[in-house]
Amino acid sequence: NAGVMQNPRHLVRRRGQEARLRCSPMKGHSHVYWYRQLPEEGLKFMVYLQKENIIDESGMPKERFSAEFPKEGPSILRIQQVVRGDSAAYFCASSRGTGDEKLFFGSGTQLSVL
Amino acid sequence: AQKITQTQPGMFVQEKEAVTLDCTYDTSDPSYGLFWYKQPSSGEMIFLIYQGSYDQQNATEGRYSLNFQKARKSANLVISASQLGDSAMYFCAMREPNAGGTSYGKLTFGQGTILTVHP
Repeated sequence: NAGVMQNPRHLVRRRGQEARLRCSPMKGHSHVYWYRQLPEEGLKFMVYLQKENIIDESGMPKERFSAEFPKEGPSILRIQQVVRGDSAAYFCASSRGTGDEKLFFGSGTQLSVL
Repeated sequence: AQKITQTQPGMFVQEKEAVTLDCTYDTSDPSYGLFWYKQPSSGEMIFLIYQGSYDQQNATEGRYSLNFQKARKSANLVISASQLGDSAMYFCAMREPNAGGTSYGKLTFGQGTILTVHP
């Protein structure tokens, strides 16, 4: 039973380029979350999506960042015109539903902006 | 005020001994959930244990147990019989209901504690 799959594992971008991070939730899970981890810090919530819907994007920067979870295919976190401060580990997590559900994380994508 | 506080930046333990990692939390909501995750040097986040605020008994998962002291607002992780593979960063996290009263996977994480197990 495959876990949460994230790719790529490492992504290097130059300032001004776009970064696309992909996440496939666990089988049977329809709720996806994105978190960001800056160096030496805990994870910070960014956005919560269900299929084709953004439920809570209160942790997402207002500019340059967007997320989607289409009916078919993985969830995508998109960062446009990356800056050095975007360098971080981005984690995706999934759950079966709401309530007292365990949240399972992927292995993360380490984004480095040169 | 910090929602989740982990006061121990680093902890050391001898192999086969038990160790307690501290976590205190701050919430005014009666319904919440507490989680512990392990992050080894490879970077992935591994779910360890969950405690609901209404659970009567402390949660246990194998060698992991959660010492839940509701009145003190603490949720310490106890690892028994430490192994070398337990060396990692450990995060405590809390889930609270959102403004609408529903709960989902929006967690607030502490700063983490680095655990080093010595042979």
